[in-house]
Amino acid sequence: GAVVSQHPSRVICKSGTSVKIECRSLDFQATTMFWYRQFPKQSLMLMATSNEGSKATYEQGVEKDKFLINHASLTLSTLTVTSAHPEDSSFYICSAIAGPPGTQYFGPGTRLLVL
Amino acid sequence: DAKTTQPPSMDCAEGRAANLPCNHSTISGNEYVYWYRQIHSQGPQYIIHGLKNNETNEMASLIITEDRKSSTLILPHATLRDTAVYYCIVRVADFGNEKLTFGTGTRLTIIP
Repeated sequence: GAVVSQHPSRVICKSGTSVKIECRSLDFQATTMFWYRQFPKQSLMLMATSNEGSKATYEQGVEKDKFLINHASLTLSTLTVTSAHPEDSSFYICSAIAGPPGTQYFGPGTRLLVL
Repeated sequence: DAKTTQPPSMDCAEGRAANLPCNHSTISGNEYVYWYRQIHSQGPQYIIHGLKNNETNEMASLIITEDRKSSTLILPHATLRDTAVYYCIVRVADFGNEKLTFGTGTRLTIIP
């Protein structure tokens, strides 16, 4: 199957700082990538759809000025958590579409801890 | 997207077939059934998908009832590494509308 990577795998930061998470499609090009967030013992929640060369589409309730998404190339999307607070601590997962429509391949996730 | 119903948890003995059910009684004619699984602290892994016919790949088999209102994912010879949360998702598969909505899934535990 298609391979999606994320970097870093885990990050600890101080409250008020910004954190950038990278999502890469390694063996295919992806015009669309997705960013999810997962809190402990909960399911994945879609945050935004990242489109190469255009603005991201955010889900209801997700602050676009806090979670900045850039999809500058066909293999890279970045999520920047600006002015992070402890409540932003979560597991952030990206995905990209490869092959038949609807088939998303997920990255390994990034665990963010804000102190 | 149609809503799915899955049992919250299941156990299966190692080496036996694991049969995970999913109800999707409101599925539309153009909606596919997708299965993903999530092993603890990892991103979800695509398993299989189907529309009407039964499907099989190297990981699993997908059996869809004739009325398409339910389906079963079959792991033929479960191993300890198959312990995970399994998600059944139904959705239209077309370009420009690929969002996935995850429910609570089934937590499958493989017993040694």
